[in-house]
Amino acid sequence: DSGVTQTPKHLITATGQRVTLRCSPRSGDLSVYWYQQSLDQGLQFLIQYYNGEERAKGNILERFSAQQFPDLHSELNLSSLELGDSALYFCASSFGPGEADTQYFGPGTRLTVL
Amino acid sequence: LAKTTQPISMDSYEGQEVNITCSHNNIATNDYITWYQQFPSQGPRFIIQGYKTKVTNEVASLFIPADRKSSTLSLPRVSLSDTAVYYCLVGDYPAYNQGGKLIFGQGTELSVKP
Repeated sequence: DSGVTQTPKHLITATGQRVTLRCSPRSGDLSVYWYQQSLDQGLQFLIQYYNGEERAKGNILERFSAQQFPDLHSELNLSSLELGDSALYFCASSFGPGEADTQYFGPGTRLTVL
Repeated sequence: LAKTTQPISMDSYEGQEVNITCSHNNIATNDYITWYQQFPSQGPRFIIQGYKTKVTNEVASLFIPADRKSSTLSLPRVSLSDTAVYYCLVGDYPAYNQGGKLIFGQGTELSVKP
């Protein structure tokens, strides 16, 4: 158990819909990261927040957005969902903001878009 | 970030030592080398990180030659439960200007047989 929690564990929805994935970092960690893992793309970095502010951005679509709240939990919002958005979405957390900071990954949310 | 190259897959037997080598020819002076392990449908888990020479923890050892253009993850006496995908990542520290995004390659799929 990494100490990072993600809800829900599974999510099934239809194309065109909007969903929100939630992540609670490990106690004391200030950074939250979101990754997408699909069979054809592997693990892709989406976005990072550090202490409430966006820190780094990866291959995140404009239909996707995220935020980190004052209590440091984070939400990833996915809208206008397409079949290709079906994937595992992982949240990770670390104490610091840099690449050498060990990232602890949550169990993931499996999103299925029908 | 430095590009990494790893074998796509490896087979081993229980009780053997497994060495997975990663090439990173264009590693930069400030880059650290980090290895993650991922089981199916789980988030990646940090294994070990190093800068040069040898690092050992309770799980694995990491060997880095003087030129740092490659690194070898060594897993002593593997068991069936070590069957997983192993990712080698290279990134600089501190990278506060770039955030903490991890760039995952294809990884090495290790299969441990009885």
